[in-house]
Amino acid sequence: DIQMTQSPSSLSASVGDRVTITCRASQSISSYLNWYQQKPGKAPKLLISTASSLQSGVPSRFSGSGSGTDFTLTISSLQPEDFATYCCQQSYSNPPTFGQGTRLEMK
Amino acid sequence: QLQLQESGPGLVKPSETLSLTCTVSGGSISSNSYYWGWIRQPPGKGLEWIGNIYYSGSTYHNPSLKSRVTMSVDTSKNQFSLKLSSVTAADTAVYYCAAFFSSSWSSWFDPWGQGTLVTVSS
Repeated sequence: DIQMTQSPSSLSASVGDRVTITCRASQSISSYLNWYQQKPGKAPKLLISTASSLQSGVPSRFSGSGSGTDFTLTISSLQPEDFATYCCQQSYSNPPTFGQGTRLEMK
Repeated sequence: QLQLQESGPGLVKPSETLSLTCTVSGGSISSNSYYWGWIRQPPGKGLEWIGNIYYSGSTYHNPSLKSRVTMSVDTSKNQFSLKLSSVTAADTAVYYCAAFFSSSWSSWFDPWGQGTLVTVSS
C-alpha cells in the first residue's frame, strides 16, 4: 500500500494568514492526489483533485500543487470557515489511501 | 445533485455482522461514471477505504479487511450495501458511503454521505 504522510499534524493560525500543508507519498503517484476538508461531525468535502484542480464552488484562496511524491495545499488568506481538518488521498493505485489529516486551529 | 445517505444499526455485538445500506438520490446508481464506495473513520483517527462496487456488481475491497467484507448493489432501489463480518471493537467507526468517480486521468470520492457511527460492543 502507498503510505501518505501529512505535515504538520496540527497547525495554529489566524484569520488572514497564508497556510501550507504538505502531503508526501511513499512512492511516486504522479498527480493522482486529492485534498479533502472535514469539519467536526461532518463528512469530508472534496476541495482539489488531481493535485491542483479546484472543485467547482471551492474558493480560489485554496490551491494545490506538486507531483511525484510531494504535494502541498495552500490557503492564501485564512477565513473563519477554513478552520477544519485537511486530508490528502492518493488515487494512483488500489487501495486508495489517505493521509492522517492536518488539524487547522485558530490561534 | 447526487446525494448519499447511510442507514443501519448503530450498535453491533462483537463477532456479529455489521450491515449498512447507502441510498443514492439525485442520480442513477447505474451510472457508468461512478463506482460506489465505503470508507470508515475510527474515532479520532484517519480515513480508511473499505471497498468500491460498480453497478454491475464488480467489487474491489481493501485487502487489510481480508474476506470479512461483502458488498452488493440493488439497482431497483438505487442502493448499495456493506456487510462486515466477525466485528471487533476495532471496527467501531463512522462509516461513510461515497460516490467514487473514476476515469483514465483521475479518480476521487465525491460526494459523501453524512456518515453513521457504528459501535461494536456487547
